[in-house]
Amino acid sequence: KNQVEQSPQSLIILEGKNCTLQCNYTVSPFSNLRWYKQDTGRGPVSLTIMTFSENTKSNGRYTATLDADTKQSSLHITASQLSDSASYICVVSDRGSTLGRLYFGRGTQLTVWP
Amino acid sequence: EADIYQTPRYLVIGTGKKITLECSQTMGHDKMYWYQQDPGMELHLIHYSYGVNSTEKGDLSSESTVSRIRTEHFPLTLESARPSHTSQYLCASSGQRGGVSSTDTQYFGPGTRLTVL
Repeated sequence: KNQVEQSPQSLIILEGKNCTLQCNYTVSPFSNLRWYKQDTGRGPVSLTIMTFSENTKSNGRYTATLDADTKQSSLHITASQLSDSASYICVVSDRGSTLGRLYFGRGTQLTVWP
Repeated sequence: EADIYQTPRYLVIGTGKKITLECSQTMGHDKMYWYQQDPGMELHLIHYSYGVNSTEKGDLSSESTVSRIRTEHFPLTLESARPSHTSQYLCASSGQRGGVSSTDTQYFGPGTRLTVL
């Protein structure tokens, strides 16, 4: 069964600190992996997308890594800000159809305290 | 900033009522999707569309129905709402007109929080 597992489930850090969120997946055949940020009561917003040949992708203070061999990804947030408080969702797409079936993780709820 | 809109943002209704959740996008995207999300849980695909007059059921069984008469509009209807339908409903779209790719990023609307009493 194709699955996406994220850890930790929740995380609290102080403003200015760095953190790393983890994503393990079993989706096959793999097409791409995305990280989304979802603010409370809002829809998810795409942060990064990585295909099989990419092992790192940055978007400002967000840096995602991908190890397609071990089927693991991480999202590193540098110098956290209060506005980073949100749920971060790992989403993996397969190559089974033109639509690109998406498999969603349950997200890591990040809280940044002042 | 994604140009995809959902109305209403919040809806509280009684059991047995018929409701329609609206979703519109102005990006010319061919593909549109409806997801259901409960608190702390992953998104589940309930409906999707490749284009006008195309609708398909997703992975999660849903008593809702959808239509795609216009490219920009993808409404979701519940004929008789029940408390089990209480959830957040997210609409998304992806792909350029005439283009199809599994790497297309999905752009999400703000969601509709539905509560059925």
